Amino acid sequence: ETGVTQTPRHLVMGMTNKKSLKCEQHLGHNAMYWYKQSAKKPLELMFVYSLEERVENNSVPSRFSPECPNSSHLFLHLHTLQPEDSALYLCASSLTGTDNSPLHFGNGTRLTVT
Amino acid sequence: QKEVEQNSGPLSVPEGAIASLNCTYSDRGSQSFFWYRQYSGKSPELIMFIYSNGDKEDGRFTAQLNKASQYVSLLIRDSQPSDSATYLCAVPSYSSASKIIFGSGTRLSIRP
Repeated sequence: ETGVTQTPRHLVMGMTNKKSLKCEQHLGHNAMYWYKQSAKKPLELMFVYSLEERVENNSVPSRFSPECPNSSHLFLHLHTLQPEDSALYLCASSLTGTDNSPLHFGNGTRLTVT
Repeated sequence: QKEVEQNSGPLSVPEGAIASLNCTYSDRGSQSFFWYRQYSGKSPELIMFIYSNGDKEDGRFTAQLNKASQYVSLLIRDSQPSDSATYLCAVPSYSSASKIIFGSGTRLSIRP
């Protein structure tokens, strides 16, 4: 099993759809992250969970709803998205969620909103 | 001022030469710094991290940190075509250590 697995790899959805992105880590880490990567923009931190508790919510619109049922799984629920939400969504995990704990990324979900 | 700033490039370096990538950050309290490499269409992968002022070497890679100048750099010696990628500098926020901020990345191209 690879360290951090994201599904699906690609997703096309209409603005009225509801879908979910899934992330699973097999590294025994305690913190999980969602980042958004758009063309020509830096990676944007969306949410951070540490020991299943949300510790960061970086002014993300409510049409994005995270869920962390346990330290190995992270979801991003999507509804009524806008075309500008099309991007690569990256999940990451780290051992402790502190500043000396590097991130390990999944392969990402390429999202297209039509 | 951006929290983490990098030149976007592209930076073109001949094969075998030294590639020098730079990053400045605004949070004076930040304690640790990471360099990630991202190939086109792939996710970022960690290549170096540094906590102390000075140099840290790992194979062909050297990270240099100067906290007084709020500056961190990455040197790649004996550059290879496989080093062609975007290099991302990442800095955890001092006020919230789980909040890791990325620069926009420098695109590096190694020409044969």
